[in-house]
Amino acid sequence: GESVGLHLPTLSVQEGDNSIINCAYSNSASDYFIWYKQESGKGPQFIIDIRSNMDKRQGQRVTVLLNKTVKHLSLQIAATQPGDSAVYFCAENRNYGGGADGLTFGKGTHLIIQP
Amino acid sequence: GAGVSQSPSNKVTEKGKDVELRCDPISGHTALYWYRQSLGQGLEFLIYFQGNSAPDKSGLPSDRFSAERTGGSVSTLTIQRTQQEDSAVYLCASSLAVTGDYGYTFGSGTRLTVV
Repeated sequence: GESVGLHLPTLSVQEGDNSIINCAYSNSASDYFIWYKQESGKGPQFIIDIRSNMDKRQGQRVTVLLNKTVKHLSLQIAATQPGDSAVYFCAENRNYGGGADGLTFGKGTHLIIQP
Repeated sequence: GAGVSQSPSNKVTEKGKDVELRCDPISGHTALYWYRQSLGQGLEFLIYFQGNSAPDKSGLPSDRFSAERTGGSVSTLTIQRTQQEDSAVYLCASSLAVTGDYGYTFGSGTRLTVV
């Protein structure tokens, strides 16, 4: 089974409110995490990443929080806009061996912005 | 090219037919990944290429699925004797695959419908 999962499949928020999307991971050895955004009909796009030596990282209107103690990751979106409507995936690094690495993805949360 | 290109963007095929899906990664990206995304679901890992070799084929769901990569560039995912449960969006991603750089760039996917 997947080692990364999400608590809520759908999150509905009012335009202008802040959104918080949660993610749980099970591999305590993971040291890198990424959030992706997937709009309808498109491939996932990188939003923000964080390494395990950090507990918080901020981008433009987005903040990622990492709690290694409980193996929990969250994405906070400030002042959500209609363009934020999408499915959001968290991912953790996956070691293929031989020096190469990849990612394991969670199931995704569908963020719906209500006017 | 500037991004990851996948073709065709849509494919409708009859049950039992074979299909080929193509991925053209970003120039210089040595790693290439195939994922499958069923409607409303997350990303299911299929196969990973490092150069022309596939160190991880663990995600291929059956022996009807195969993939190859030639010249360290273009990859083809082949599904033989398609079944209705093969209907999904097939996503390709590429990356530099340098340890410490896990960022994927995704293509827009091929939507496969088996009727």
